[in-house]
Amino acid sequence: GDSVTQMEGPVTLSEEAFLTINCTYTATGYPSLFWYVQYPGEGLQLLLKATKADDKGSNKGFEATYRKETTSFHLEKGSVQVSDSAVYFCALNFGNEKLTFGTGTRLTIIP
Amino acid sequence: NAGVMQNPRHLVRRRGQEARLRCSPMKGHSHVYWYRQLPEEGLKFMVYLQKENIIDESGMPKERFSAEFPKEGPSILRIQQVVRGDSAAYFCASSPSGGGEEQYFGPGTRLTVT
Repeated sequence: GDSVTQMEGPVTLSEEAFLTINCTYTATGYPSLFWYVQYPGEGLQLLLKATKADDKGSNKGFEATYRKETTSFHLEKGSVQVSDSAVYFCALNFGNEKLTFGTGTRLTIIP
Repeated sequence: NAGVMQNPRHLVRRRGQEARLRCSPMKGHSHVYWYRQLPEEGLKFMVYLQKENIIDESGMPKERFSAEFPKEGPSILRIQQVVRGDSAAYFCASSPSGGGEEQYFGPGTRLTVT
C-alpha cells in the first residue's frame, strides 16, 4: 500500500539555521504531496503542496519539490525562526481521498 | 468563515463508557474525514463520509466504532465501550468536493480513557 517515510526527530536548530526535513514516499502512480504543520495543542494546517512531478510548493519561506525520480518531497527553509517550532507531517493523497501521513518530525528552534 | 469545529476539545471517559465526538465542517463543505493520532505517532485515516453516506471506512476498527454524517447537523464519531487503547487525539477534516483537494483540519478532540 501507499506509505510515507519521514526523517525521524526531534530536530533542534538554532535560529537562522538552514532546515531540511526528508520525506520519501511509496505509491502506485503519481500522488499529490503535502506538508502539514501542527503547532502545540492545535490541529493540522496545510503548509504547502505539489500535485505533479517537478512542481515546487512554497509558503512562509518553506519549499518542497516533487521529485518523481527519487520519490521524495523534502521540506527546506533557508533561515528558521523560533515561531517555526512545531511538528511537521509529510502526506500523500492518491485518488481515494484519504491522506496517508508520515509519523511527523518535531522541530524545535532555539534563539 | 469559521473553520472546522470539533467538540468537545477534551473528553474523559471511564472504560466501558461511550464517547461521542462531533465535527462541524467548514461552510459549503460536504466531505468529512476522521483521523486518529496516537501519542507520538502520525495521523491514521479512519473514515470518509459525505452527507448521509459512508464512502470509505477502511481505517475504522470493525467493532465499537461507528460514524455518521446526517443531512442536518454535525458528523459524529461514536466509540462504544471505550478501552484505554482508544485514548488518542481524533481529528476531523473537511473539503469542498473531495477528489484529492486540500483538507481543512479541526483542532481535534483529545479522548482520555481512565
